[in-house]
Amino acid sequence: KQEVTQIPAALSVPEGENLVLNCSFTDSAIYNLQWFRQDPGKGLTSLLLIQSSQREQTSGRLNASLDKSSGRSTLYIAASQPGDSATYLCAVGAAGANNLFFGTGTRLTVIP
Amino acid sequence: DTGVSQNPRHKITKRGQNVTFRCDPISEHNRLYWYRQTLGQGPEFLTYFQNEAQLEKSRLLSDRFSAERPKGSFSTLEIQRTEQGDSAMYLCASSLAQGTNSPLHFGNGTRLTVT
Repeated sequence: KQEVTQIPAALSVPEGENLVLNCSFTDSAIYNLQWFRQDPGKGLTSLLLIQSSQREQTSGRLNASLDKSSGRSTLYIAASQPGDSATYLCAVGAAGANNLFFGTGTRLTVIP
Repeated sequence: DTGVSQNPRHKITKRGQNVTFRCDPISEHNRLYWYRQTLGQGPEFLTYFQNEAQLEKSRLLSDRFSAERPKGSFSTLEIQRTEQGDSAMYLCASSLAQGTNSPLHFGNGTRLTVT
């Protein structure tokens, strides 16, 4: 079974800093990887999707990378803002499965 | 595109009662998923539909749980004889098609509290 781990569990940074969130997965046979944002008590918002054949995706201040062979992905957030405070979840679409396997998330706090 | 809609947002029920949740996916999406999320954890897959066909169910989906998508549009998730361990956020998601470039779009969830 695919296992997804996110480190750190929580992160607190001052406004304006660049930061990196990490995600690792145990089975490299994936068809895509998605990063989501979740605000307290709310659903998930899709941020970026990387197909297994891709190395990275960018959207605004966000950049996600994928190294399938080593089972790792990173989400880079540039020039962090207080509005970026949320839990960030990594999810892997495993080959042959019809669902996503989620990590437990990284809770980010950006201090004004 | 109004997004994925879930109702109710919150449900408090007593142990042993039955509850039903509804999900309205994005209209052109043919895939619909149910996930369950407990505090501090990532969502866990429960079941998914391709149009009206339920194609996969997780082992988490005990026989007290049943999901339907009768006309391939909205879906319902029913929990019979609720237990305190059923307390969680129930999330619905939809996507356009199977493939490597179809992201899942989630609703805001239904938070169930079983007392």
